[in-house]
Amino acid sequence: EADIYQTPRYLVIGTGKKITLECSQTMGHDKMYWYQQDPGMELHLIHYSYGVNSTEKGDLSSESTVSRIRTEHFPLTLESARPSHTSQYLCASSDRTWVTEAFFGQGTRLTVV
Amino acid sequence: RKEVEQDPGPFNVPEGATVAFNCTYSNSASQSFFWYRQDCRKEPKLLMSVYSSGNEDGRFTAQLNRASQYISLLIRDSKLSDSATYLCVVNIFGDRDDKIIFGKGTRLHILP
Repeated sequence: EADIYQTPRYLVIGTGKKITLECSQTMGHDKMYWYQQDPGMELHLIHYSYGVNSTEKGDLSSESTVSRIRTEHFPLTLESARPSHTSQYLCASSDRTWVTEAFFGQGTRLTVV
Repeated sequence: RKEVEQDPGPFNVPEGATVAFNCTYSNSASQSFFWYRQDCRKEPKLLMSVYSSGNEDGRFTAQLNRASQYISLLIRDSKLSDSATYLCVVNIFGDRDDKIIFGKGTRLHILP
């Protein structure tokens, strides 16, 4: 099993609230990613990081922000949640070599009411 | 053109049949390739890596054609438990733009 963890697994929250989705990995991986995925739909990369103090926007525009202060931790924050943010958020990490694969956390299923 | 393209399916295949998926990629800097499997409402998990010489893992065979920039996955003697979405994944490794790119996935339904 991959050593990458997301909390919470499920979150129902009201509109306008600030939320932080946590993602931690214990594999020492440099690269970390956040994906957004609606049921039955494709993965959309929203943020990624090459290492500490590195953050990049992904292919899908997102109102969320991320930080990478420690190698093992890559939290995602929504300053003001809206119903359009309802989705599954998947965190992944990989080593920075050309042969590596990505390991995923179990995801956070967010519902904004 | 999308960096990684797959037929979304669904492929509806009777149990015991052989099914094959293809995936094409556009970036010639792509250096490693994978097939992932994603079950409904679960996270993607690595099914197998794809090597230039082709590789096999039980009923699953993966092939890479660098000249034509496509990879394939063959599933023999399909089982009901093979029903899932299969994601083609390409790893582009460079100085600053290395990233892992996922295809949209191909849905497979194995019919009893």
